[in-house]
Amino acid sequence: AQSVTQPDIHITVSEGASLELRCNYSYGATPYLFWYVQSPGQGLQLLLKYFSGDTLVQGIKGFEAEFKRSQSSFNLRKPSVHWSDAAEYFCAVGPDNYGQNFVFGPGTRLSVLP
Amino acid sequence: DVKVTQSSRYLVKRTGEKVFLECVQDMDHENMFWYRQDPGLGLRLIYFSYDVKMKEKGDIPEGYSVSREKKERFSLILESASTNQTSMYLCASRPSGGYNEQFFGPGTRLTVL
Repeated sequence: AQSVTQPDIHITVSEGASLELRCNYSYGATPYLFWYVQSPGQGLQLLLKYFSGDTLVQGIKGFEAEFKRSQSSFNLRKPSVHWSDAAEYFCAVGPDNYGQNFVFGPGTRLSVLP
Repeated sequence: DVKVTQSSRYLVKRTGEKVFLECVQDMDHENMFWYRQDPGLGLRLIYFSYDVKMKEKGDIPEGYSVSREKKERFSLILESASTNQTSMYLCASRPSGGYNEQFFGPGTRLTVL
């Protein structure tokens, strides 16, 4: 069965510092991979996605992620964090056995210090 | 832009009440989903629908039912609300095809007293 782990429940970084959020997955074939961000009280917004091709993917808000098949990872990075990046971040993989759905990780909450 | 709307942002109900959560999408997507979100558990799929009047159980369907009478609308029903159904409920839609992501509504925070 597909699964996603996000080892860090909560991360705190200073504004301007670099950021890396970890995502590891278990999937039987080449997965579709996504990172979503959820601001407090809001729904999820897509940051970026990977299906094939270049393993370094650029997304919105200055985020990027790198797919590493050998490590079953899809880590999210940003070179310089802004206070507005404080949110919860979800990694997702799929499609699942239903064919249309994606499996989400438990999320990583990011706090940003001024 | 794709827009997914949910009928309520916040809802407070009593134990035993019948609760309806409504979701509408405006981009003619075939697939619609209901998730519940709880701290530390991520998003868990309750039900999804791949076409009008079609539905499939997700990972946690117990205590819930759904209705999809029109393509743009997907309703989640709690037949008899219980306190353990207090949660954030997220609706999403997605066009068919492998390369498409899900689009999410703003969520409904349901509290059952």
